[in-house]
Amino acid sequence: AQTVTQSQPEMSVQEAETVTLSCTYDTSENNYYLFWYKQPPSRQMILVIRQEAYKQQNATENRFSVNFQKAAKSFSLKISDSQLGDTAMYFCAFIRETGANNLFFGTGTRLTVIP
Amino acid sequence: DTGVSQDPRHKITKRGQNVTFRCDPISEHNRLYWYRQTLGQGPEFLTYFQNEAQLEKSRLLSDRFSAERPKGSFSTLEIQRTEQGDSAMYLCASSFPGGYGYTFGSGTRLTVV
Repeated sequence: AQTVTQSQPEMSVQEAETVTLSCTYDTSENNYYLFWYKQPPSRQMILVIRQEAYKQQNATENRFSVNFQKAAKSFSLKISDSQLGDTAMYFCAFIRETGANNLFFGTGTRLTVIP
Repeated sequence: DTGVSQDPRHKITKRGQNVTFRCDPISEHNRLYWYRQTLGQGPEFLTYFQNEAQLEKSRLLSDRFSAERPKGSFSTLEIQRTEQGDSAMYLCASSFPGGYGYTFGSGTRLTVV
């Protein structure tokens, strides 16, 4: 079974500062993908960043980057130059490479960017 | 294509009534997923379709729940004899097979009173 753990229910950051959200996961799979999704108050889930487990290089998307530590089963999200529009729930998620490709989600971290 | 559409956005129903939700996925995606999200929690998998075939159902999907995807296009999720515990956000998503991630709809918020 796959589990995803986000141990920070809430975080806050000053505008323009950097914040890191933590995520750990547990799986016996060797090939999988990891994601961070953002769910703003308008509630539509939006894909922020994606990481293939077979890639050692950490994924980056503009101000968003990850620190993927496969051996430690850790997948943290760093948001640089935080903006007010980054205020949202952030969910870490895991998917197997094969089969049903069900996304397994963590419980989320509520991030508030303070002006 | 404007993404994944869900209808209605909100539904308030009395306990014991039946409700049906609709999801229109991205047309190129052959996989369609239903998830349930309760307040303060991450989404939980309910069921998924590849084209018109329903290939997997979660244990969360009791026999009061049924989902269909006729002709591999839109999907419906029906809840019969609703209970207060069914109150949640019901999310639909679509994808290609593999690890590409999903595109989610805006969800249907169900309130059972």
